[in-house]
Amino acid sequence: DTGVSQNPRHKITKRGQNVTFRCDPISEHNRLYWYRQTLGQGPEFLTYFQNEAQLEKSRLLSDRFSAERPKGSFSTLEIQRTEQGDSAMYLCASSFQEHGDYEQYFGPGTRLTVT
Amino acid sequence: GESVGLHLPTLSVQEGDNSIINCAYSNSASDYFIWYKQESGKGPQFIIDIRSNMDKRQGQRVTVLLNKTVKHLSLQIAATQPGDSAVYFCAEELSNDYKLSFGAGTTVTVRA
Repeated sequence: DTGVSQNPRHKITKRGQNVTFRCDPISEHNRLYWYRQTLGQGPEFLTYFQNEAQLEKSRLLSDRFSAERPKGSFSTLEIQRTEQGDSAMYLCASSFQEHGDYEQYFGPGTRLTVT
Repeated sequence: GESVGLHLPTLSVQEGDNSIINCAYSNSASDYFIWYKQESGKGPQFIIDIRSNMDKRQGQRVTVLLNKTVKHLSLQIAATQPGDSAVYFCAEELSNDYKLSFGAGTTVTVRA
């Protein structure tokens, strides 16, 4: 499968614990995005990387959230001291920005439940 | 508030009929629009896109129409099939902004 992959697919954690999610984009895609989706809503932008540089962060990304893409390939999203309001689907997408090709390909998401 | 939204949260369609899903946007600076399909437990899947310099684009069984005058976007699905049952989102991208802004979605249910 050459699409975007995310791990784990599901995560249940207790409030106050830290969690880390991984995203593997489509090979050679230079842009990687993180979105959050709550039930019944469309995805909301969190942050994006071009290669290894994090170029933009949403106001939704509090200081408990941190994202990295150390080698410009896979990315991790860490949430520290999780809260019940963090329960959501966390989606990763990637794209190859060239000649006006903007299409973002999404992964299956990681569903986080904070108890 | 959201700059992209859908007119109806749900749409029930008879198998074989055509479906029309509507979306209104408010940001006139947006220049790229995409329709995504999301099935239960999966991430959004790209269907079709359109740039602001076009008013119509066709794909396989799908057509996207863009009316910049009234800031309206629609997705037409021809000969709707049971596999088309899903939540459909329109999304917009501001010029050179790269991030997508999604509406709340329309749930399409296909009746056999």
